Formats: sequence, C-alpha cells, structure tokens
Amino acid sequence: DAGVIQSPRHEVTEMGQEVTLRCKPISGHDYLFWYRQTMMRGLELLIYFNNNVPIDDSGMPEDRFSAKMPNASFSTLKIQPSEPRDSAVYFCASRPLDREYNEQFFGPGTRLTVL
Amino acid sequence: RKEVEQDPGPFNVPEGATVAFNCTYSNSASQSFFWYRQDCRKEPKLLMSVYSSGNEDGRFTAQLNRASQYISLLIRDSKLSDSATYLCVVNLSGGFKTIFGAGTRLFVKA
Repeated sequence: DAGVIQSPRHEVTEMGQEVTLRCKPISGHDYLFWYRQTMMRGLELLIYFNNNVPIDDSGMPEDRFSAKMPNASFSTLKIQPSEPRDSAVYFCASRPLDREYNEQFFGPGTRLTVL
Repeated sequence: RKEVEQDPGPFNVPEGATVAFNCTYSNSASQSFFWYRQDCRKEPKLLMSVYSSGNEDGRFTAQLNRASQYISLLIRDSKLSDSATYLCVVNLSGGFKTIFGAGTRLFVKA
C-alpha cells in the first residue's frame, strides 16, 4: 500500500512566484494535515482537514497561504506570492478516524527554497 | 512559553548507554501523547504512544506525569541506529490538533 505521496520533492523558486505543493493521503484516511518544518521553529501544524473540510487553519501564517482539499485523495497548499522566509520543508500527513489509532503517517516532504 | 518544550541536545552517548529525554507541555487539557522519531532529512515516524500507566516497547520506555505535565522517554542499550531526533508530541482538543516539540537530537557513538 502506498504511503502519503507529496510532489514535488524539491522546489526552488524566486520571490514573488506562486508555489503549489501537492499531497495524496493514504486511501481511507479521514484526516489530512499540513505542516511546515524549519530549524528555527521546528514542526508547525498549518491546517488540518476532516473529510475534505478544513477544521483548524489557525496555524496558517498569513493570507499568502491557502489550502484546499477538493476530494478525499488530493490536497494542495499554495503560497502566493512566495517570500524567502517561506523556505522550509512542508510535510503532509494523514490518519484514520479511529481515535484509538492515533498515528499520523507523514509523506516525504517538499523542500521549498525561495530565492 | 512554548506549548511543548524539549531539551534540544545534542546528546552524545556511547553504544550500550542508557539515555533519557524529557518533555514538558503547557496545556493541561492535552489529551494524548507520543514520541516520534525523525532521521536526518526524512519524515517523522511514530515511535510510541505514551500512556498514563507508562509503557514499554523493547528497549524504549515512555512515561507520563499529568500532574507535572511531563513526558519522558528512556532508551536502554543504545544502538548506533538510534541516532536521530526524537520529537515529543501532544494532541489537543479531541485528539486531532497536534503540537510537536522542537526535538532532541541523539548521537550514539561506536
């Protein structure tokens, strides 16, 4: 069974450009999470979805960031316009509904560099 | 104050040593607790859940003290392959909003 799939794995772009990160969660998982990891701030939860509906986006840093989940098998995180301080590794994770099974499964991440 | 705090380390220990990591959390409403492991340039992976009664998985023992809002991880008989960053994780509000600590780096030397 494939794990969480993220694309691209690496992205280098120039300040001001739009960046779109993509995620395919594990089939059957009801929850999807977007995280950002930097040396300075560690791993931060940006937003999470339940059954394609955004539940908590309080971690989204500002209006330049937006996330969508049009269906159960696909989500995007968009940054427009991008800035050098957005450089980080962005992880997507998913987990099933069962409260007894709390493990989140992470994708390999997208390493974003904004010049 | 950070919601989840860990000593960043690094901890440098010889093979076979016992090492302990601590973590404190600030939100008393926190409901569930975990340790994740992250290898260099890889994604985090669940190491173990942490239960109120304490739990053990092979060489790893996790403990929770709700009164002190404190979580610990003990690794016995360290292996070279244990070298990684260990992330303390707390779930809030119904178990889905997740807060990660900054991680503790461990280097096990031959």
